[in-house]
Amino acid sequence: GQQLNQSPQSMFIQEGEDVSMNCTSSSIFNTWLWYKQDPGEGPVLLIALYKAGELTSNGRLTAQFGITRKDSFLNISASIPSDVGIYFCAGQLGGGADGLTFGKGTHLIIQP
Amino acid sequence: KAGVTQTPRYLIKTRGQQVTLSCSPISGHRSVSWYQQTPGQGLQFLFEYFSETQRNKGNFPGRFSGRQFSNSRSEMNVSTLELGDSALYLCASRQTGHMYFGAGTRLSVL
Repeated sequence: GQQLNQSPQSMFIQEGEDVSMNCTSSSIFNTWLWYKQDPGEGPVLLIALYKAGELTSNGRLTAQFGITRKDSFLNISASIPSDVGIYFCAGQLGGGADGLTFGKGTHLIIQP
Repeated sequence: KAGVTQTPRYLIKTRGQQVTLSCSPISGHRSVSWYQQTPGQGLQFLFEYFSETQRNKGNFPGRFSGRQFSNSRSEMNVSTLELGDSALYLCASRQTGHMYFGAGTRLSVL
């Protein structure tokens, strides 16, 4: 089946630093999504990408849908303490009925 | 608008038992999907229901089943529980567009 490789697995950064994480796939997706999950909660959608090459921002977050449709990255600028959490990429091949394929997550830890 | 509601939040069962989890989608959402989240395997797709019909199914054994009612509420059932079924079970609802997740039901199998 499809697999997503998400890296890095964890990041230890200082407040104010920029963060970059990415996902690569063995096969193409038509939609790339980035979620954040806080402890005890379900994933919350951050950014959705629908077209190869698309670059989308949501506040301090920027994500891109790779040209090959097999990769995506998420950048967070000027990190703040509330950015702590686990970030997941997810790909979807088709439309409504297709389930999402998730990466294993990037655990972001901000050091004081 | 209320979010996706999952009950119960926590559940402890023993091997061999069966369990039923419940999900109430966002009002107006007709699509409900279920995912299993474990530290080892991450988030994995179980199945998706739309208008009381299962539209898609992930790669899980037949012990995992679900259904959707006419009011779009959904239940998933796991029979003959195994230790490896311990996980956070997440439900997500969608009308058109994005998927919204509930907080999940944490199932522990002893």
